[in-house]
Amino acid sequence: DAKTTQPPSMDCAEGRAANLPCNHSTISGNEYVYWYRQIHSQGPQYIIHGLKNNETNEMASLIITEDRKSSTLILPHATLRDTAVYYCIVRVPGEKLTFGTGTRLTIIP
Amino acid sequence: EPEVTQTPSHQVTQMGQEVILRCVPISNHLYFYWYRQILGQKVEFLVSFYNNEISEKSEIFDDQFSVERPDGSNFTLKIRSTKLEDSAMYFCASNRGFTGELFFGEGSRLTVL
Repeated sequence: DAKTTQPPSMDCAEGRAANLPCNHSTISGNEYVYWYRQIHSQGPQYIIHGLKNNETNEMASLIITEDRKSSTLILPHATLRDTAVYYCIVRVPGEKLTFGTGTRLTIIP
Repeated sequence: EPEVTQTPSHQVTQMGQEVILRCVPISNHLYFYWYRQILGQKVEFLVSFYNNEISEKSEIFDDQFSVERPDGSNFTLKIRSTKLEDSAMYFCASNRGFTGELFFGEGSRLTVL
């Protein structure tokens, strides 16, 4: 009953922008889009979240389409330390986070 | 920057033994969680805890599991009689408010022999 669909893996050259897509065609009006990542076997790390407007913070930008059925996480200048599994999660605030299989992003030197 | 800390980082135990995993959430956080990740699998929700009681638990969180916040700072997960299939990485998480992002600890690796 996955609410999101992500490509299983992606590569990106170091220094380039990494654009990670996520489809969430059944998202409901009160669900937010959250992005977390997990570097190797470390604990998941929050990146960013949004409802319908584009969001930017010191780590990344989140672009949500107008119909909210898909989104893209952008890491503007990828470094080797950005190699990780990235999870796109739709969630009503307050509900538990449910992790899927995510996208394994590999940054290539 | 405040962080969630977990101990031990790695514990090896014999099947049938009791294990307690400890977590110190971020100090002004009110909501606490345990997740686990079996090697090569997804991160799975176990339990959430608020106001000194369990607010939600998954099917995994059966009678062998319990959680406690004994002293206002620690948040523990106890497994009464460990099984081989309990071998996993256990992550504690906390957040300040109902809608805030979760902050995860670095995890405790449990190996059951």
